[in-house]
Amino acid sequence: SQTIHQWPATLVQPVGSPLSLECTVEGTSNPNLYWYRQAAGRGLQLLFYSVGIGQISSEVPQNLSASRPQDRQFILSSKKLLLSDSGFYLCAWSNRVGEQYFGPGTRLTVT
Amino acid sequence: GIQVEQSPPDLILQEGANSTLRCNFSDSVNNLQWFHQNPWGQLINLFYIPSGTKQNGRLSATTVATERYSLLYISSSQTTDSGVYFCAVELANRDDKIIFGKGTRLHILP
Repeated sequence: SQTIHQWPATLVQPVGSPLSLECTVEGTSNPNLYWYRQAAGRGLQLLFYSVGIGQISSEVPQNLSASRPQDRQFILSSKKLLLSDSGFYLCAWSNRVGEQYFGPGTRLTVT
Repeated sequence: GIQVEQSPPDLILQEGANSTLRCNFSDSVNNLQWFHQNPWGQLINLFYIPSGTKQNGRLSATTVATERYSLLYISSSQTTDSGVYFCAVELANRDDKIIFGKGTRLHILP
């Protein structure tokens, strides 16, 4: 069966510090991968999605970036965090019919 | 771009009541999913339902793709049903992008 991991689960970082959040998927190959952010309230904002290694589509211009160095690894990064980067970050993968599965999320607080 | 609208935005019910949540979308889609986000933030798959009707215990869902809406039914609500319910659609242009509605926040009172 497939599983999706995210770490860390929680993170507190000062403004201006770098960020690296990692997401890995097990039990499937060549999945589509997604990063979402959920700020205060309930909406999910799509940040990045990837259909293959090295292929990244960005949905929102910002100081975040994503990379996919391996088939089942998706990394969200920032060189310098802003206060507005605080939120709940969710990674997801989808199969070929578009059924999407989410990881447990990382709660980021920028202080 | 495509609009995904969920209603109602908030719903408060007594335990045991039934509810219907709606998701309207403005364009053709390839598929549609319903999720439940629990109080710990975990998004749990409820239904993958591009069309037709599915049932799983007290929950069922119906999607009428030609009329661009989907309904999620919850019967005999329990306090554990509380949380936010999202619908998400994949656009028909096959660019692999999945769009979420803003959710319905459901609170079941004991």
